[in-house]
Amino acid sequence: EAGVTQFPSHSVIEKGQTVTLRCDPISGHDNLYWYRRVMGKEIKFLLHFVKESKQDESGMPNNRFLAERTGGTYSTLKVQPAELEDSGVYFCASSPPSGGPYNEQFFGPGTRLTVL
Amino acid sequence: GQQLNQSPQSMFIQEGEDVSMNCTSSSIFNTWLWYKQDPGEGPVLLIALYKAGELTSNGRLTAQFGITRKDSFLNISASIPSDVGIYFCAGPQGNTGKLIFGQGTTLQVKP
Repeated sequence: EAGVTQFPSHSVIEKGQTVTLRCDPISGHDNLYWYRRVMGKEIKFLLHFVKESKQDESGMPNNRFLAERTGGTYSTLKVQPAELEDSGVYFCASSPPSGGPYNEQFFGPGTRLTVL
Repeated sequence: GQQLNQSPQSMFIQEGEDVSMNCTSSSIFNTWLWYKQDPGEGPVLLIALYKAGELTSNGRLTAQFGITRKDSFLNISASIPSDVGIYFCAGPQGNTGKLIFGQGTTLQVKP
């Protein structure tokens, strides 16, 4: 079974440009999460989709970030316009429909974003 | 919001040594998780703890869920070079499943 995949693995852009990150979750996983780790700090939650609906977007830094999950399959995270502080590693994770004390989240390899 | 304080920040040890790292919180967690991130990969779940006082092992790894539900530790015995990576503690916040992570402990093992 394929794991969570993310594209691209690396992206280097200039301040003010737009970047779109893509995440393909494990097939059948309704839950999709976006997280970000900035320069040696903790991994921080950005938002959570259940199928195509945004369940929780409390971690989104500001309105320059737009996440979509059309059709409840893959998700995109667009940053427009990018700022220097947006640099970091963006992780996507997915988990199956709710059940049990904790649904394990399976993480993708991340996209390393560098804004110059 | 809830925060997890993880220590130490980094460790550099000799192969064969035991390692211990811990995580504390100012608020209660009902589940404690320990993840490992290998270079170039995403975090992978090592151990999940669900009950206060629970002690769980996974091979050379042992983790405990503190009695107060505000702390957890992870021990690695007889370290080997492939133990190198970043170890994160984490806990779910609320009912949506979103995870709160510690800052991570970077482990380096000298052969």
